[in-house]
Amino acid sequence: NAGVTQTPKFQVLKTGQSMTLQCAQDMNHEYMSWYRQDPGMGLRLIHYSVGAGITDQGEVPNGYNVSRSTTEDFPLRLLSAAPSQTSVYFCASSQDLNTGELFFGEGSRLTVL
Amino acid sequence: AQKVTQAQTEISVVEKEDVTLDCVYETRDTTYYLFWYKQPPSGELVFLIRRNSFDEQNEISGRYSWNFQKSTSSFNFTITASQVVDSAVYFCALSEGGAGGTSYGKLTFGQGTILTVHP
Repeated sequence: NAGVTQTPKFQVLKTGQSMTLQCAQDMNHEYMSWYRQDPGMGLRLIHYSVGAGITDQGEVPNGYNVSRSTTEDFPLRLLSAAPSQTSVYFCASSQDLNTGELFFGEGSRLTVL
Repeated sequence: AQKVTQAQTEISVVEKEDVTLDCVYETRDTTYYLFWYKQPPSGELVFLIRRNSFDEQNEISGRYSWNFQKSTSSFNFTITASQVVDSAVYFCALSEGGAGGTSYGKLTFGQGTILTVHP
């Protein structure tokens, strides 16, 4: 059972570089989201999607882009990385939370120098 | 706007002690969902419980129990007879219900409580 798969697990970037964090789920969930985790701040929502072709901003969207061309995939793009984007990133998926839970990937640790 | 507060930043106990992790939430919605997640040192997020706003029954699962009180907007988590394996960061989270009670998985997390259980 793959669940939610994130790649890469670790990445070091220099300021100004771009990269994409990949996220894929095999549970046919409509809803997918990206969170970042920083010490003392819990997890904060970056972007989310309620289905293929539909995305919206969360609490901390600046500096990040997303797209949802398929139900399975929800990549997160950093166009010009900044040190403030050093964090652990979690992708999550869910069906209706009235009946289910939010499933998380294992996380991706990003360091921007 | 919704908000979750976990006032206890760190808790340290000795094995076999009982420990309660506090969670206070704010929301204007009448339909919402409350969660607890555990993050062990390995870093993954482990789902513990989901509770919707219409179900105020307390729940017990083994050594874990949850006390949901709408009157005080609290959803506290108690571990009975704690064990070293309970050492982790624990997050309380809130999701507001959308149209028809559907929730889109947009969780607002508390800051987390670091629990350390000493042998």
